[in-house]
Amino acid sequence: KQEVTQIPAALSVPEGENLVLNCSFTDSAIYNLQWFRQDPGKGLTSLLLIQSSQREQTSGRLNASLDKSSGRSTLYIAASQPGDSATYLCAVRPVGGTYKYIFGTGTRLKVLA
Amino acid sequence: NAGVTQTPKFQVLKTGQSMTLQCAQDMNHNSMYWYRQDPGMGLRLIYYSASEGTTDKGEVPNGYNVSRLNKREFSLRLESAAPSQTSVYFCASSEWLREKLFFGSGTQLSVL
Repeated sequence: KQEVTQIPAALSVPEGENLVLNCSFTDSAIYNLQWFRQDPGKGLTSLLLIQSSQREQTSGRLNASLDKSSGRSTLYIAASQPGDSATYLCAVRPVGGTYKYIFGTGTRLKVLA
Repeated sequence: NAGVTQTPKFQVLKTGQSMTLQCAQDMNHNSMYWYRQDPGMGLRLIYYSASEGTTDKGEVPNGYNVSRLNKREFSLRLESAAPSQTSVYFCASSEWLREKLFFGSGTQLSVL
């Protein structure tokens, strides 16, 4: 059974720091992986989607990498800003089975001014 | 461009009452989903609709029913609400089943 883990559950960093958020999954048979941002009381916003054949995707200050064989993905945020404070979730789309994404429980990021 | 619109944003029910959560998307997406989000448990799929005219159970379908009214709209019904259904409910859509997910802003439901 596919499981997705995000450690740490919470993280505080000073403004300007480069940081890495981690996502681990137990089964490498995936179609893709998505990173989302969730602000308090709001829905999820998709940040990056990496197909299983890709190694990384970039959008502005965000870079997501995927290592399927080791069951790991990282989200790199460059030059963090207070506006980056949010919960970041990853989700994998397993091959086969029902058509659903499996979500991690997220990392709550706070960027201090 | 509104994206995915959910109503209502907040709802309080008494045990045994029924209600329908509404969801509509204006992106011409084929697939739509209902998730619930509970503290410490992440998002769990309740039901999904791969395309207009089809619906399927997700991970936690018990106590819920859905209707894919047309390509735009996908509703979730609680026939007899229970306190265990207290949660935040999200509707989402994607062009197809493996594509980027777009979420609504959620419905916070409390069942007393």
